[in-house]
Parts: sequence; structure tokens; C-alpha cells
Amino acid sequence: DIVMTQSPDSLAVSLGERATIKCKSSQSVLHSSNNKNYVAWFQQKARQPPKLLVFWASARESGVPERFSGSASGTDFTLTISSVQAEDVAVYYCQQYYTIQYTFGQGTKLEIK
Amino acid sequence: EVRLLESGGDLIQPGGSLRLSCATSGLAVTSNYMSWVRQAPGKGLEWLAVLYSDGTTYYADSVRGRFSIFRDTSKVYLRMSSLRADDTAVYYCTRDPRDGRSFDYWGQGTLVTVSS
Repeated sequence: DIVMTQSPDSLAVSLGERATIKCKSSQSVLHSSNNKNYVAWFQQKARQPPKLLVFWASARESGVPERFSGSASGTDFTLTISSVQAEDVAVYYCQQYYTIQYTFGQGTKLEIK
Repeated sequence: EVRLLESGGDLIQPGGSLRLSCATSGLAVTSNYMSWVRQAPGKGLEWLAVLYSDGTTYYADSVRGRFSIFRDTSKVYLRMSSLRADDTAVYYCTRDPRDGRSFDYWGQGTLVTVSS
């Protein structure tokens, strides 16, 4: 199975500051047919199901604020929140859906400093 | 509006069996790819099984042979057997839209507790 490793496990950011969450896949998740990385990012707030934020590593899901962005470099993936808001407190998960055995990262907890 | 609603979670003894249900509105289970994902208390997300529109199924290694995903005309189910303490989790039903995105709709989850 492809292992997704996130860092850090938790971070505290001041309101309005940038938050950066990283995720590394144990092997390539780049689909040769369309040159897309099959990595998604989810946000999970307390007592709620996960919410899709980003797919194809960098495509923002409809309705997701522009302050959320994703990027990729090889097998390294990054979720950036450009200006953290109070409502962004949550756990963030990366996920690969390149193989049928979908796998998630362990999660990164974002708190407000 | 699409809604997924899981049910069937319960307190069950180790070795027991349970069937979870996922009722949907706004989408047809027979023409969508439906998955079950679980989350142990305080832990991360674990994908368990997927049921394709053509009936094909795939399972995570951790549950293959013990769990079974199936459907009828309106619901998706997860039959679980030989349950263990580490199967204790909230179980979510979710949809893969098969348009390049990942799971876009999720239910609120149902709690399964395996304990004697």
C-alpha cells in the first residue's frame, strides 16, 4: 500500500498568518494518462465528517475559500492556508486515490495560537 | 441535495457480527461508487471497502474476508463479522464521484463499539 506521511502532527498559527501542512507519498501517485497527482486534502472539524478541500493535488473543490491551496513536487504535497481564520481549526488529512487501496495520512491538527 | 445517512452502529461483543446501512437521497447507489471509511476514537481515517456501479468490490487488507459491502436499490451496506476491539470506530459512508475528485459526499457516521 502507498503510505502517506504528514508533517507536522500539529501546528499552532496566529490568526491571519500562513499555515503549511506537508504530505509525502511512499511512491508516485502521478497518473500518466492525464499527468495528474491523485492526492486529495480533507478538512475535519470536531464531531463532523471530513470535507473535501482539494483534489488532483492542487484543484480546489467548489465552494472552498481561495485561502486554501494545494501544490505538488514529485512525491511531496503541500496544503497552504494563506491567512488562517478561526473557522479553520480542524484536523487536515491528505489522501492518495491513485490506487484502489486508498490511504490517508495520519492527520495534522491546526490550532490558533 | 445529496444526503447520506448511516445507521446500525451498536455495542457488540468481540467475535460478533453487525450490519451497517447507508441510506441515500439525491443520488442513486446503483450508479455511483460507494465506499465505507472508518475512524477509531481519536485516530485518523481508514478506507475499508468500495462498491462500484458495476458491482465490483475491493477491500482494505485489514477487513478483507471479514467485511462485505453490498447494496440494494436504495442503500449501501457493510456486513461485519468476527469483530474485534480494534474495529471500534465511527463508520462513514461516502461517495466517489469518479470525475477526478475524491470522496465528495459523506454521511455523519455511525458508532460501532466492540467490547465485552
